Amino acid sequence: QKEVEQDPGPLSVPEGAIVSLNCTYSNSAFQYFMWYRQYSRKGPELLMYTYSSGNKEDGRFTAQVDKSSKYISLFIRDSQPSDSATYLCAMSAYTGGFKTIFGAGTRLFVKA
Amino acid sequence: DVKVTQSSRYLVKRTGEKVFLECVQDMDHENMFWYRQDPGLGLRLIYFSYDVKMKEKGDIPEGYSVSREKKERFSLILESASTNQTSMYLCASGEGQTGPYSNQPQHFGDGTRLSIL
Repeated sequence: QKEVEQDPGPLSVPEGAIVSLNCTYSNSAFQYFMWYRQYSRKGPELLMYTYSSGNKEDGRFTAQVDKSSKYISLFIRDSQPSDSATYLCAMSAYTGGFKTIFGAGTRLFVKA
Repeated sequence: DVKVTQSSRYLVKRTGEKVFLECVQDMDHENMFWYRQDPGLGLRLIYFSYDVKMKEKGDIPEGYSVSREKKERFSLILESASTNQTSMYLCASGEGQTGPYSNQPQHFGDGTRLSIL
């Protein structure tokens, strides 16, 4: 079993929809959670960075962490065609030092 | 903004060649990383460095080596390229005030798509 699981998609939604992207994980030691956006032929770009459980909002993006369920989500409101990309979750655990594990990514298409 | 620059976007090399991938960051970050990204496998850590001349193996170091002679520059070396090293290679940097393994997020370059023929 992978430490971090992420549905590869693709996920296709109409413009203006609310998008929900999710990751599950198995290691309860994960403390720091990140979401990256990766456009085609580009490197991952940091979108959100959160510590422990709860919500964090930045514009149209909301990151949610539920440590009791070992589940994290990224919500995109009023989705735009420019949001079409692959979204990677990542998380860090302290195991004598912090190690970051990345999900394999979910491909999102937002149709105009 | 953090800027991580990888020297080549696309590279084609032949089996057995020694290949150098270069990465430069402008944020004075202590930590630098090399990953490869393959469909369905996500990002896999090859090597990382937490200081000049310091390096640690990641999850898949076989067939690779690294060099960090200056803080801003981190090089990945494929000693004798093989076809199974065809991949997208991503360099990243991050703050490292908590040591070699840092809780600070990593910032990525745009990648080098390497093909080994």
